[in-house]
Amino acid sequence: GAGVSQSPRYKVAKRGQDVALRCDPISGHVSLFWYQQALGQGPEFLTYFQNEAQLDKSGLPSDRFFAERPEGSVSTLKIQRTQQEDSAVYLCASSPSTGPTTEAFFGQGTRLTVV
Amino acid sequence: GENVGLHLPTLSVQEGDNSIINCAYSNSASDYFIWYKQESGKGPQFIIDIRSNMDKRQGQRVTVLLNKTVKHLSLQIAATQPGDSAVYFCAETNSGGSNYKLTFGKGTLLTVNP
Repeated sequence: GAGVSQSPRYKVAKRGQDVALRCDPISGHVSLFWYQQALGQGPEFLTYFQNEAQLDKSGLPSDRFFAERPEGSVSTLKIQRTQQEDSAVYLCASSPSTGPTTEAFFGQGTRLTVV
Repeated sequence: GENVGLHLPTLSVQEGDNSIINCAYSNSASDYFIWYKQESGKGPQFIIDIRSNMDKRQGQRVTVLLNKTVKHLSLQIAATQPGDSAVYFCAETNSGGSNYKLTFGKGTLLTVNP
């Protein structure tokens, strides 16, 4: 595709349910990022992949959050036992480089609502 | 789409006017700054960037000013158009450290009245 694709666009989960959010980065992009954006706030860094290696997961809020990118392309962000405070837009971005993120392209995000 | 601008600082201008959006950044070690535009229901879109060895950088209809002394950034949009209506975020990073990690500001909602 022409850009970063995220699915689903919207997800409603019952509290306690597990969810999986998918990111298809731009083909050939080395770097992949996940950000969490609460309503009315700026995005907050969650984790960073360089190819299949997860180099930084310091932003993941708890051990209920898990991300993977097994083949260095598609990435999945998994949230176990969802809580209401997990409600947010989850943004994925990819970049062709490993340096400063000038060239990071963001997807449209997945809006997660936990009820 | 849902309005991501709730509870944000807001700026309302008339079409054709110039807009100035301000941002205070937090980390004195940050040396690279980016402005993003986020329309409702979409991801952030790169507008313009500036490094700390510069005070000013111009793009097409946009200018970014950096004041390192007071840790302040501004984005100036000339001849604002209705299509400029969006939430604008500044983001900072340290090119010498975890330079892949952006720290975003709170954002400003710009509304352009036709």
